[in-house]
Amino acid sequence: DAKTTQPTSMDCAEGRAANLPCNHSTISGNEYVYWYRQIHSQGPQYIIHGLKNNETNEMASLIITEDRKSSTLILPHATLRDTAVYYCIVRGGYNKLIFGAGTRLAVHP
Amino acid sequence: EPEVTQTPSHQVTQMGQEVILRCVPISNHLYFYWYRQILGQKVEFLVSFYNNEISEKSEIFDDQFSVERPDGSNFTLKIRSTKLEDSAMYFCASSSGSGNTIYFGEGSWLTVV
Repeated sequence: DAKTTQPTSMDCAEGRAANLPCNHSTISGNEYVYWYRQIHSQGPQYIIHGLKNNETNEMASLIITEDRKSSTLILPHATLRDTAVYYCIVRGGYNKLIFGAGTRLAVHP
Repeated sequence: EPEVTQTPSHQVTQMGQEVILRCVPISNHLYFYWYRQILGQKVEFLVSFYNNEISEKSEIFDDQFSVERPDGSNFTLKIRSTKLEDSAMYFCASSSGSGNTIYFGEGSWLTVV
């Protein structure tokens, strides 16, 4: 599976949009972009995934560039409870998830 | 919403003892996984399991580890003779298909003393 690069940490004010970037320049055509988050030491929580189209669900939006070499996870109105480590993972269709270090997002009042 | 459940939430065991961590995957799921996370480190893949056999395992998953689906609902991870370095949070996960979304449980925190 392709490697991803994410910033180590980010800050966001409560109520504002949190935009978390991810680079995956070696992604191949059949690989999906998945986003998970881990709040404190809880189990990783699935957020959203996509192949090439932008996706939106009740938690977040995923914007994938046309060349698929990068993506952005958007939390439209961040709350204190969104403070977590966010993982961007590129996954081939039948493969396990491989976690990196992720981005530590701190939402502050 | 269906969820993966794990027991115990926390277990303390003496070095050399056997430990069994239990998981109840989401009911219609067919693919099962164990991951672990040593304190302060990344979430690491241990093993995947499908159709009553291991489909993939990592280098961490040595002869001290085994997995089993003893009945139609439980999925267990056994560590035969625990070492201090086995202290970690162990996460069970499941998915309905090999390429489908993987859902994680809340974890079992294992402390080996």
